Amino acid sequence: ILNVEQSPQSLHVQEGDSTNFTCSFPSSNFYALHWYRWETAKSPEALFVMTLNGDEKKKGRISATLNTKEGYSYLYIKGSQPEDSATYLCAFRVGSGNTGKLIFGQGTTLQVKP
Amino acid sequence: SQTIHQWPATLVQPVGSPLSLECTVEGTSNPNLYWYRQAAGRGLQLLFYSVGIGQISSEVPQNLSASRPQDRQFILSSKKLLLSDSGFYLCAWPGQGGYTFGSGTRLTVV
Repeated sequence: ILNVEQSPQSLHVQEGDSTNFTCSFPSSNFYALHWYRWETAKSPEALFVMTLNGDEKKKGRISATLNTKEGYSYLYIKGSQPEDSATYLCAFRVGSGNTGKLIFGQGTTLQVKP
Repeated sequence: SQTIHQWPATLVQPVGSPLSLECTVEGTSNPNLYWYRQAAGRGLQLLFYSVGIGQISSEVPQNLSASRPQDRQFILSSKKLLLSDSGFYLCAWPGQGGYTFGSGTRLTVV
């Protein structure tokens, strides 16, 4: 059974704090690692799709890194704002081409207090 | 542009009743389509995926079934709902920048 683990499960920070969370995934048969942001009462929104070892991606104050050899990815949020409050999901792509599918971690729920 | 529609948004159904959730996509042809569910306190679990009309792969043994009657239509069904079928159901389509999800259906089985 493929396991995608995220930690911590939840996180409470003050506005302005920087924070990071971890996604662990199998280090073999790697195709891609996705990050999503899921706000309450909305559908998940894609943040990053990462495919190469050593990839670093950035979108505003959010960035992510990827280590496929050891099977982990970090998501960083710099200067957290209340609107960053959401559940952050990572997903490991299994299979290539047309048969690919995403296996999701449990998510890290971030609460940013003003 | 590609869009994905899902309905209904919420549903309260008694145990033993049937279920039909529909997902349609626009702006793309022959897409892979996926049904995910988030049960209470759990992450997103892949239920079914389809690579084309009439082609369904089931990921977990369960009380649900899926069908792909048309290229852009993906339906999730049950003949008799169980309490454990309650959850948030999401349809998804894989775009270039990651999956695009429908707006979801909150199903409560009572």
